Amino acid sequence: AAGVIQSPRHLIKEKRETATLKCYPIPRHDTVYWYQQGPGQDPQFLISFYEKMQSDKGSIPDRFSAQQFSDYHSELNMSSLELGDSALYFCASSSYGGATTGELFFGEGSRLTVL
Amino acid sequence: AQTVTQSQPEMSVQEAETVTLSCTYDTSESNYYLFWYKQPPSRQMILVIRQEAYKQQNATENRFSVNFQKAAKSFSLKISDSQLGDTAMYFCAFMNTGGFKTIFGAGTRLFVKA
Repeated sequence: AAGVIQSPRHLIKEKRETATLKCYPIPRHDTVYWYQQGPGQDPQFLISFYEKMQSDKGSIPDRFSAQQFSDYHSELNMSSLELGDSALYFCASSSYGGATTGELFFGEGSRLTVL
Repeated sequence: AQTVTQSQPEMSVQEAETVTLSCTYDTSESNYYLFWYKQPPSRQMILVIRQEAYKQQNATENRFSVNFQKAAKSFSLKISDSQLGDTAMYFCAFMNTGGFKTIFGAGTRLFVKA
């Protein structure tokens, strides 16, 4: 079965550079979520989109922006990167947010290293 | 705001034995979902078990079962007949029904020993 696809899987950037992460949800899933997971930490919710509109927002820095496109894939843009942005970034998808089962289907994550 | 608390950073269990992971949460909502997700080393997170708050009956999935105490806001996971493949990080999580945000606890790292 098709799963959530994230790219790139690994990314190395210098401080103050920009990075873009992509997420392709499971077919027919209309909701995408972004999480940031630091080493040994729990996933922190950044932002979610339902039907291409922002549906909820968490602790996403102002330097970060995201959007969901007409084909339901999503991109997370991170600018002015800082050392503290080094983390595993997870994307998850679901069908109609939490109105069905609430289950999130996760990708394998994109590991960002900022040097 | 909702919070999820897991007070056991690490646990270990002998293969074939039973282990219980604890989770408490705080919310003013009455309709919500609770989850246990498993994150194996270097692998993606997957759902282990799900509980709907309006259901009094505890959810069960094969060797995994929960003890859901709504009044106490407690949601523990019991793993029976532990297997080596159960070694992973386990996250307790909360989502409002109809919501677009899942909140995770700090996680419990479980080691299953042969």
